[in-house]
Amino acid sequence: GAVVSQHPSWVICKSGTSVKIECRSLDFQATTMFWYRQFPKQSLMLMATSNEGSKATYEQGVEKDKFLINHASLTLSTLTVTSAHPEDSSFYICSATARVSGNSPLHFGNGTRLTVT
Amino acid sequence: GQNIDQPTEMTATEGAIVQINCTYQTSGFNGLFWYQQHAGEAPTFLSYNVLDGLEEKGRFSSFLSRSKGYSYLLLKELQMKDSASYLCAVRDSNYQLIWGAGTKLIIKP
Repeated sequence: GAVVSQHPSWVICKSGTSVKIECRSLDFQATTMFWYRQFPKQSLMLMATSNEGSKATYEQGVEKDKFLINHASLTLSTLTVTSAHPEDSSFYICSATARVSGNSPLHFGNGTRLTVT
Repeated sequence: GQNIDQPTEMTATEGAIVQINCTYQTSGFNGLFWYQQHAGEAPTFLSYNVLDGLEEKGRFSSFLSRSKGYSYLLLKELQMKDSASYLCAVRDSNYQLIWGAGTKLIIKP
């Protein structure tokens, strides 16, 4: 089946530093990748949608200058949390799909647990 | 607005059957997904329904009624490893996935 690799699995950083999270599709070309954020006991919250070679589309309320997304190739997207603060601590999950159509499921990475101290 | 409702938590016994319901109100409909998510892990795909009726896949089955805006996930012969959250998601007319908050299923021996 389709495999999405996300790295790192967890990261602890100091307030004010930046953290980069990578998301790779290992056995398919991901034309579209999605970045989600999930707080404990809450649902997935879509942060942004990125298509290869174009700028990401951010959801309302998500600061694009704080959460930088790059989708430079069909197999790699990165999310950089810039100047991280404790309130950015969360579980970040990427997902990818080869095509956005009715029955194409999202394939998820294993997530990155970010803790900002 | 768009809305998906699922029970917050359910408890069932090992070996039994449990049904997790999901009701939705969305702008258009292009399919409904069920995902399983273990604590601290990412969701994994379970099933997809776009036509009315029951889709069976091993111990798991998923049902859809588009006219009622309703789906359920049926888990049979429950095992302890089935303890997880189950997420219902609907693809709307813009092919955006709208997520429910998930149902935490607790399996007791």
